[in-house]
Amino acid sequence: GQQLNQSPQSMFIQEGEDVSMNCTSSSIFNTWLWYKQDPGEGPVLLIALYKAGELTSNGRLTAQFGITRKDSFLNISASIPSDVGIYFCAGFTGNQFYFGTGTSLTVIP
Amino acid sequence: EAQVTQNPRYLITVTGKKLTVTCSQNMNHEYMSWYRQDPGLGLRQIYYSMNVEVTDKGDVPEGYKVSRKEKRNFPLILESPSPNQTSLYFCASSFGLGGEQYFGPGTRLTVT
Repeated sequence: GQQLNQSPQSMFIQEGEDVSMNCTSSSIFNTWLWYKQDPGEGPVLLIALYKAGELTSNGRLTAQFGITRKDSFLNISASIPSDVGIYFCAGFTGNQFYFGTGTSLTVIP
Repeated sequence: EAQVTQNPRYLITVTGKKLTVTCSQNMNHEYMSWYRQDPGLGLRQIYYSMNVEVTDKGDVPEGYKVSRKEKRNFPLILESPSPNQTSLYFCASSFGLGGEQYFGPGTRLTVT
């Protein structure tokens, strides 16, 4: 199957700091989605991107669809304790979605 | 409330005992999908369905069956579960292929 490389694998940051994570692939994707997953819960959709170059915000979250269509990044500004969780990217090839292995975020108050 | 529901949430079973995990969505979505989540491997697609009576294999379909007789329901069937199917399973749905997918709460399955 397709490989989505998500980095970093984990992050430990102070409350108030900004966070950046990204997903890259050797394949082209038509859609990028970003999700957050809390322990014991299903992934919750944060942001959807449908066009190369698109930059979309959702509150303190901003995500971009890379120009090459092979990557995407997610930024979280001014992190707060409830940002803790695992963040996933998902890329759609035209047939199915493939997911990154996640970035585990810990916010230290 | 718009949602995807799964049942059961937790299941412990023995090798070879057939089981079904149900999935239902109330958003009139055409596209539904099953994933398994394993540590270090992320979410991997098992099967998906683009509409009633239309299903197709994902990346890891071996040992699983699905059916889509109604738009809202997409059950996952394990005819003869084995320990390597111990995993966290998620159902998801979206309006169309490639659209925003919404996930259920997950089913944690243990096969002994």
